[in-house]
Amino acid sequence: GNSVTQMEGPVTLSEEAFLTINCTYTATGYPSLFWYVQYPGEGLQLLLKATKADDKGSNKGFEATYRKETTSFHLEKGSVQVSDSAVYFCALRDNYGQNFVFGPGTRLSVLP
Amino acid sequence: DSGVTQTPKHLITATGQRVTLRCSPRSGDLSVYWYQQSLDQGLQFLIQYYNGEERAKGNILERFSAQQFPDLHSELNLSSLELGDSALYFCASSGRPGNTEAFFGQGTRLTVV
Repeated sequence: GNSVTQMEGPVTLSEEAFLTINCTYTATGYPSLFWYVQYPGEGLQLLLKATKADDKGSNKGFEATYRKETTSFHLEKGSVQVSDSAVYFCALRDNYGQNFVFGPGTRLSVLP
Repeated sequence: DSGVTQTPKHLITATGQRVTLRCSPRSGDLSVYWYQQSLDQGLQFLIQYYNGEERAKGNILERFSAQQFPDLHSELNLSSLELGDSALYFCASSGRPGNTEAFFGQGTRLTVV
């Protein structure tokens, strides 16, 4: 079946550090890929998405590129801020059952 | 604001009781998904409905059931509650043409005492 694997953390960085959160997936066909963010006490919000190979999703300084050859969708940000502290979920949606599969989430803490 | 509304926001109940969680999807979305998130845990997929019909089932206990009504709102019923059922329950919706992503509600925090 479909699955998503991501580094579980927690990840602790200093402000302005570079962020990478790895995400790899297993799926048949060509799924759509997503990064969601969950701030404390809130629901999940879509951060960015990519729907086909080599697409780059970007938002709020975060980027991720859909790499079909490595089945990866790593999240990056060049300079994190304290306000980026949250849990980040990588997810896929297959194009057959239309269901969503989420990774376990990565907790990021950014220290001033 | 995602456009997905969940009620109530908080619920405290005793073991053995039954509760109903409600979800109103975004206007135009036909699919509703239910997820459970326990403390420091990831999202556990429970069940999906599409236009009133059950589409997919995940790790949903037999004590739990759900349905989607003709107006597309959905309810998740949890019965014979146990302490371990304490969690955040999220509803998400999708399916509007042109959108591939799911939109999440703010969740219902259930505490079983």
